[in-house]
Amino acid sequence: DAGITQSPRHKVTETGTPVTLRCHQTENHRYMYWYRQDPGHGLRLIHYSYGVKDTDKGEVSDGYSVSRSKTEDFLLTLESATSSQTSVYFCAISATNSNQPQHFGDGTRLSIL
Amino acid sequence: DQQVKQNSPSLSVQEGRISILNCDYTNSMFDYFLWYKKYPAEGPTFLISISSIKDKNEDGRFTVFLNKSAKHLSLHIVPSQPGDSAVYFCAARTNTGNQFYFGTGTSLTVIP
Repeated sequence: DAGITQSPRHKVTETGTPVTLRCHQTENHRYMYWYRQDPGHGLRLIHYSYGVKDTDKGEVSDGYSVSRSKTEDFLLTLESATSSQTSVYFCAISATNSNQPQHFGDGTRLSIL
Repeated sequence: DQQVKQNSPSLSVQEGRISILNCDYTNSMFDYFLWYKKYPAEGPTFLISISSIKDKNEDGRFTVFLNKSAKHLSLHIVPSQPGDSAVYFCAARTNTGNQFYFGTGTSLTVIP
């Protein structure tokens, strides 16, 4: 299994609070991604990174920010959480952006009350 | 707008028979396609992929077929086993982009 660790695995918080999710990899892969999974929507890309300090938006980036200060860590921040951001969040990594699959972490279940 | 669609939310198959999971896409620029398998409380696991220069790729019990003219992708599992029961996602990517687009998933149940 690819060395991907997501933390925390579960979190419950209140509307309006900031939340940071962490993705840590031991594979030294260049590309890292954050997805959310919701019923009826599959997996949707929030943000991705193509190197240290290099990030770009995905299709559902509003309300989220990311940072990547080291190759191994990719942080996803909800500055002021809303109930619509209740979801399961997955981190993924890939070595290149050519024909190589992404490998996923086990997810973070986030509930915003 | 969903660029990758899996129109069957669920599928049930008897053990030993063939499972066929389908996926349609709308973007003609997609050139790399993948299938992932997902168990509850785990992340998706890569299963098999195909590039647009091929129309078939096989790996053991799993075969992916690509019909570019119909913009259709299918995954065949033969023979199906109870351990194959999971949610299957198809995904696609263009040759110029970093973004993968996922379908909504099909839940496969293999009945012993």
